[in-house]
Amino acid sequence: KQEVTQIPAALSVPEGENLVLNCSFTDSAIYNLQWFRQDPGKGLTSLLLIQSSQREQTSGRLNASLDKSSGRSTLYIAASQPGDSATYLCAVPETSGSRLTFGEGTQLTVNP
Amino acid sequence: GAVVSQHPSRVICKSGTSVKIECRSLDFQATTMFWYRQFPKQSLMLMATSNEGSKATYEQGVEKDKFLINHASLTLSTLTVTSAHPEDSSFYICSASVASGGPLYQETQYFGPGTRLLVL
Repeated sequence: KQEVTQIPAALSVPEGENLVLNCSFTDSAIYNLQWFRQDPGKGLTSLLLIQSSQREQTSGRLNASLDKSSGRSTLYIAASQPGDSATYLCAVPETSGSRLTFGEGTQLTVNP
Repeated sequence: GAVVSQHPSRVICKSGTSVKIECRSLDFQATTMFWYRQFPKQSLMLMATSNEGSKATYEQGVEKDKFLINHASLTLSTLTVTSAHPEDSSFYICSASVASGGPLYQETQYFGPGTRLLVL
């Protein structure tokens, strides 16, 4: 059974810092990996989706990398802003189109 | 595109009553819809997978008679929490899956905004 772990569970940084969130998964036979953002009391916003054949994806100040062989992904946030404060979740599908397994999330606070 | 809505966004009910939550894909037809549950400061836990016109597949530990799922069309799935109790208070999130084009068949899930249920 796939297990997804995220480290750290919480992170507090001053505005402007670059930071890295980590995600690891136990079964490397994944089709893709997705990073989401969740604001308090809200649903999920998809940030980046990396296909299994890709090494990284970039969107604005966000860069996600994927190393299938080691079962790891990182989400890099450059020049963090207070508006980046949220919980970040990574998730992998067990097979294409099937259920997603989520990590516990990293709660990020960016202090002005 | 690919917008999923949920209704209601928040509901408060008395213990013993039933509550229905709707999940709609507004601008696409969903192959599959999923229902998740999220407790405070925890991650999403899949409750069930729903396909239009067929019975939902429930995850281990989820009571199918407690959480009734009806998938009436390719754009609508409903979750009914029957005889709700305070321990059912949670954040319920649905997602709708759609196949993406290209040589590699994959499905992408789009998430609704969630429904906050509080059972008194």
